[in-house]
Amino acid sequence: GAVVSQHPSWVICKSGTSVKIECRSLDFQATTMFWYRQFPKQSLMLMATSNEGSKATYEQGVEKDKFLINHASLTLSTLTVTSAHPEDSSFYICSARDGPPGTSEGGELFFGEGSRLTVL
Amino acid sequence: KNEVEQSPQNLTAQEGEFITINCSYSVGISALHWLQQHPGGGIVSLFMLSSGKKKHGRLIATINIQEKHSSLHITASHPRDSAVYICATSFYSNYKLTFGKGTLLTVNP
Repeated sequence: GAVVSQHPSWVICKSGTSVKIECRSLDFQATTMFWYRQFPKQSLMLMATSNEGSKATYEQGVEKDKFLINHASLTLSTLTVTSAHPEDSSFYICSARDGPPGTSEGGELFFGEGSRLTVL
Repeated sequence: KNEVEQSPQNLTAQEGEFITINCSYSVGISALHWLQQHPGGGIVSLFMLSSGKKKHGRLIATINIQEKHSSLHITASHPRDSAVYICATSFYSNYKLTFGKGTLLTVNP
């Protein structure tokens, strides 16, 4: 079946540094990828929608200059947490879907394994 | 704004029991998703459905569009089914998910 791979699965960094997380669709072309954040014992929250070849759409309250998203190809989206602070420590998950927007055809969602970020 | 409510919040069962988790939502949607999240955090998409019923192994998902309600059933539950089960809704126009708070299922041997 379709697989979405996220890397790294966990990362520890110092405050002020930047961290890049990759999300790859391994056997399908992902027209749209989504980035979520999950704090301990809380629901997943959508951060942004990433469409290949265009700028990401950020949810209200998510700083686009802090969470840089690049979707340069149909199989790769990256999330860069810039100037990370301890409050950015969280579990970040991506998902990807195939099929064109606005239809259900090929619209199945696949999730990455998640990346746990700890900022010291 | 769509509100997604799940019940129960926590559920403990004995191995072999039949389990039901419920999900209700407040506005018309295109699709409803059932997801499984294991303690390590990884998420698996179990079902995406827009009407009727789907079955996969011991898992069954149903949706009633008129009542804006969905259920996830697990037959012959097993300790390996222990996980958080999350209900989420989406629209085909943007596929953005609105998540419920999840149901923590613990199946004891």
